[in-house]
Amino acid sequence: DAGVIQSPRHEVTEMGQEVTLRCKPISGHDYLFWYRQTMMRGLELLIYFNNNVPIDDSGMPEDRFSAKMPNASFSTLKIQPSEPRDSAVYFCASTDGYQPQHFGDGTRLSIL
Amino acid sequence: SQQGEEDPQALSIQEGENATMNCSYKTSINNLQWYRQNSGRGLVHLILIRSNEREKHSGRLRVTLDTSKKSSSLLITASRAADTASYFCATDFQGAQKLVFGQGTRLTINP
Repeated sequence: DAGVIQSPRHEVTEMGQEVTLRCKPISGHDYLFWYRQTMMRGLELLIYFNNNVPIDDSGMPEDRFSAKMPNASFSTLKIQPSEPRDSAVYFCASTDGYQPQHFGDGTRLSIL
Repeated sequence: SQQGEEDPQALSIQEGENATMNCSYKTSINNLQWYRQNSGRGLVHLILIRSNEREKHSGRLRVTLDTSKKSSSLLITASRAADTASYFCATDFQGAQKLVFGQGTRLTINP
């Protein structure tokens, strides 16, 4: 199994630009999670999906953040416009609801 | 916040020694999990303990859970340099798939 695949691994962009992070969950997993990790706030859940439907987006910081899951094998997290305080490592994780969550290796985002 | 707290924040020991990390949480739980994160990588699940269990073992790992004190501990015995990583506890929130992670313990094993 290839595991959870995230792209890009690193992203550096200027403030105000649109940023799109991508995630491919493990095949057969019908739960998908987006997390953000910073030194100050630790690991925070932003949003999670079940069967491609957003279940809980209470962790999404503000309207600049949006997430979609158009099909079972792909999800995006978009930030528009980006701000320096959005700099963090963003993780995607998936599970079938019975096994523990499997994490991707994250996208390290730097907003200049 | 329902987020757990971990103690210590950082721990440095010699190879071969045992390492103990503690986690406290605030709300009732169905289970508690421990994850490891190597530098620059995602989290990897180590062990899950259910609320009706008091102790669980997996290889060199031993986890305890005290629901009356809302606390858990992770013991790594006979530590190795490869155990150097950050360790996080996570609790389920309101029985859902949603997990709440502690701030983590950064463990360094010195050769």
